[in-house]
Amino acid sequence: TQLLEQSPQFLSIQEGENLTVYCNSSSVFSSLQWYRQEPGEGPVLLVTVVTGGEVKKLKRLTFQFGDARKDSSLHITAAQPGDTGLYLCAGELNSGYALNFGKGTSLLVTP
Amino acid sequence: DVKVTQSSRYLVKRTGEKVFLECVQDMDHENMFWYRQDPGLGLRLIYFSYDVKMKEKGDIPEGYSVSREKKERFSLILESASTNQTSMYLCASRRIGAYGYTFGSGTRLTVV
Repeated sequence: TQLLEQSPQFLSIQEGENLTVYCNSSSVFSSLQWYRQEPGEGPVLLVTVVTGGEVKKLKRLTFQFGDARKDSSLHITAAQPGDTGLYLCAGELNSGYALNFGKGTSLLVTP
Repeated sequence: DVKVTQSSRYLVKRTGEKVFLECVQDMDHENMFWYRQDPGLGLRLIYFSYDVKMKEKGDIPEGYSVSREKKERFSLILESASTNQTSMYLCASRRIGAYGYTFGSGTRLTVV
């Protein structure tokens, strides 16, 4: 069951630009996580948000959890080629349950 | 460095073969998971295990089974491989009470 819709599916930008990736659902999540995956590797956890309205920053990456805990966004400031990868959001419906993943946003940052 | 290790990076099997995908974690995590990842479909949960000898079906368990005889090892079994099981298989683990998963590097399985 695809509970999480990510947009856009693909994004190609130049170095230095800003971008936002969205993760939306009609379901309420107890927590939401963002992962980044590089080709040929497994996803790597970037951040977990658990409180509605929560904002977390990781260097140039800003993550926000919606007030109603149904959606989230990832904003990258001044993107760099090293940010290239597949960004996945994943939500936990109830604590301890397996994660539901979105289909991902494939980001390409060119010099 | 904590790790989830999947036994093979690439695997080619014939239709009808019984296939074993092995996953071992060294973090003493209770929860373990098997997902498959396909273009346009994302990650889909096949099976998961809350602890040793426990297993739960995920969203797409048909054609698969699992085994968790030891805490550190979670095996995915394709009873009779078919071409529609060609995919990237990802194993993950998580400590009870924690949020984040640690993933292995994946096994790209091709069934011919």
